[in-house]
Amino acid sequence: DAKTTQPPSMDCAEGRAANLPCNHSTISGNEYVYWYRQIHSQGPQYIIHGLKNNETNEMASLIITEDRKSSTLILPHATLRDTAVYYCIVRVTGANSKLTFGKGITLSVRP
Amino acid sequence: EPEVTQTPSHQVTQMGQEVILRCVPISNHLYFYWYRQILGQKVEFLVSFYNNEISEKSEIFDDQFSVERPDGSNFTLKIRSTKLEDSAMYFCASTVGQGKGQPQHFGDGTRLSIL
Repeated sequence: DAKTTQPPSMDCAEGRAANLPCNHSTISGNEYVYWYRQIHSQGPQYIIHGLKNNETNEMASLIITEDRKSSTLILPHATLRDTAVYYCIVRVTGANSKLTFGKGITLSVRP
Repeated sequence: EPEVTQTPSHQVTQMGQEVILRCVPISNHLYFYWYRQILGQKVEFLVSFYNNEISEKSEIFDDQFSVERPDGSNFTLKIRSTKLEDSAMYFCASTVGQGKGQPQHFGDGTRLSIL
């Protein structure tokens, strides 16, 4: 699986949009971009995933650049409960393939 | 919303003892996984399981580890003779696995403490 690079941490104000960047410059054509988050030591929570097109669901939006070498997770109105470690993971499309977690980015939402 | 459930939430075991961690994956899911996270470290893949067989395993998943789907709902991880370094959070995950990069969904984990 392609490697991803994320800044170690960022913060944002409650109610504002949080834009979390991820670099995956070696991504190949059959690899999806996934975002998960982990609050304290709870299980990783699936947020969103995409292949080429931008995606939106009730939690977040995923913007993937045209060359697919980077992406941004957008939490449109961050709340204190969004404080967590966010993982950007690239994974091949095979149903059986594992997720390889990095260190992620620690998002701190301040009041 | 359906979820992956894991029991127990916390397991304390003496070194050298056997331990079984239990998971109930989401009911229509076909692919199952175990991961672990040592305190302060990354989440690490252990094993994937499909059609009653191990599909892939990591270097961590040695002869002391085994997995089983004993019935239509449970998925278990057994550690035969626990070591101090097995202390970690263990997460079970499952996915439907059909097309469009279906995501894995995780349980909230079992905290395993080896004394």
